[in-house]
Amino acid sequence: DGGITQSPKYLFRKEGQNVTLSCEQNLNHDAMYWYRQDPGQGLRLIYYSQIVNDFQKGDIAEGYSVSREKKESFPLTVTSAQKNPTAFYLCASSIGSSSGANVLTFGAGSRLTVL
Amino acid sequence: AQSVAQPEDQVNVAEGNPLTVKCTYSVSGNPYLFWYVQYPNRGLQFLLKYITGDNLVKGSYGFEAEFNKSQTSFHLKKPSALVSDSALYFCAVRDDRRGRRALTFGSGTRLQVQP
Repeated sequence: DGGITQSPKYLFRKEGQNVTLSCEQNLNHDAMYWYRQDPGQGLRLIYYSQIVNDFQKGDIAEGYSVSREKKESFPLTVTSAQKNPTAFYLCASSIGSSSGANVLTFGAGSRLTVL
Repeated sequence: AQSVAQPEDQVNVAEGNPLTVKCTYSVSGNPYLFWYVQYPNRGLQFLLKYITGDNLVKGSYGFEAEFNKSQTSFHLKKPSALVSDSALYFCAVRDDRRGRRALTFGSGTRLQVQP
């Protein structure tokens, strides 16, 4: 079955440590996205990538980094510079066409807790 | 900037009664509007979208949404609620700023269906 796999599902981190969240898709989608979800705030865009080897900052990119070396993979690193990293992180992908309304397909999410 | 607002944090409805989850939008140009549902500790699932055409859009699990241009609204509806519909619902609008083709989400509405 095609879909998006995020790992790990739960992650605990000590302050000052970097952590990397994995996102893999087998949908052959060009575009991939990382969102952060906090209670009562909906989803906020961290980074997005419309094509391999290219990515752009979203609305809350500070303290995060990404790479897009392969079409199917878009890992997110939460660095020690992120002041409040405890959140639920969601990866998504879409066809990425410039026309029409592309539906985003989401992974099951990764919950990061900083101890 | 494209944005959506969900004025209700929570909606309570009895099983078998009709339900409405409200969403208003603010966009420049033609709106591409979406509804997603999220179950606890899961990713978002696509319900339906509006691009153009009929103002009443039908989606998954018996949900539908009514696009109203004069009131800038896109309310989600279902004629008869089920207990299993209890979840967090997000309205979203396509955001094309800087070519991102991402979605901007509302803050979410928790739907509670009582038996």
